[in-house]
Amino acid sequence: NAGVTQTPKFQVLKTGQSMTLQCAQDMNHNSMYWYRQDPGMGLRLIYYSASEGTTDKGEVPNGYNVSRLNKREFSLRLESAAPSQTSVYFCASRQGAGGANVLTFGAGSRLTVL
Amino acid sequence: QQQVKQSPQSLIVQKGGISIINCAYENTAFDYFPWYQQFPGKGPALLIAIRPDVSEKKEGRFTISFNKSAKQFSLHIMDSQPGDSATYFCAAGAKGNTPLVFGKGTRLSVIA
Repeated sequence: NAGVTQTPKFQVLKTGQSMTLQCAQDMNHNSMYWYRQDPGMGLRLIYYSASEGTTDKGEVPNGYNVSRLNKREFSLRLESAAPSQTSVYFCASRQGAGGANVLTFGAGSRLTVL
Repeated sequence: QQQVKQSPQSLIVQKGGISIINCAYENTAFDYFPWYQQFPGKGPALLIAIRPDVSEKKEGRFTISFNKSAKQFSLHIMDSQPGDSATYFCAAGAKGNTPLVFGKGTRLSVIA
């Protein structure tokens, strides 16, 4: 099925461990995004890539790094996980970076940091 | 600074009733206002969207009302059903390489 695929779906880390969340889309979209969702906080943008080869910080970038590996793939890395990074992470993509382009989300990755 | 303010945070509606969720924005550069619906364990998905050149858009039981002068827009769900129980996010977008800005979400519960 066409869409946005995120791996892993669930992950438990210990404080200080590192990990990478993977995201791939098969819709030939130019722009890709990483959000985190926490209760009462809505969807907060971590990083985005308006087009292949570019990345920009969002609202809450501290503690994260991203790589736009190619047009299809956009990964999110936690170098030294902290309990405050316990969250549900969503990857999303859309054709263009702005305007009335539909944002398509993945199913999410639930991360727990102990 | 929150650019899109959404209310209420949670809402309980009887089956068959009308659900109303409100959003307000400040940035006059916004020209695209979508609503996303999220079921538990799933990612958000586009429900309906409006551009500021119209005051209302209707798709089935879902209607967006838009008030450009007040910088407010709202989602109305008519004849609400238990299957509408979900979290709803309003958002706003502008031209150029700017990401959508989301409200904090409203958890809707429709009870029989």
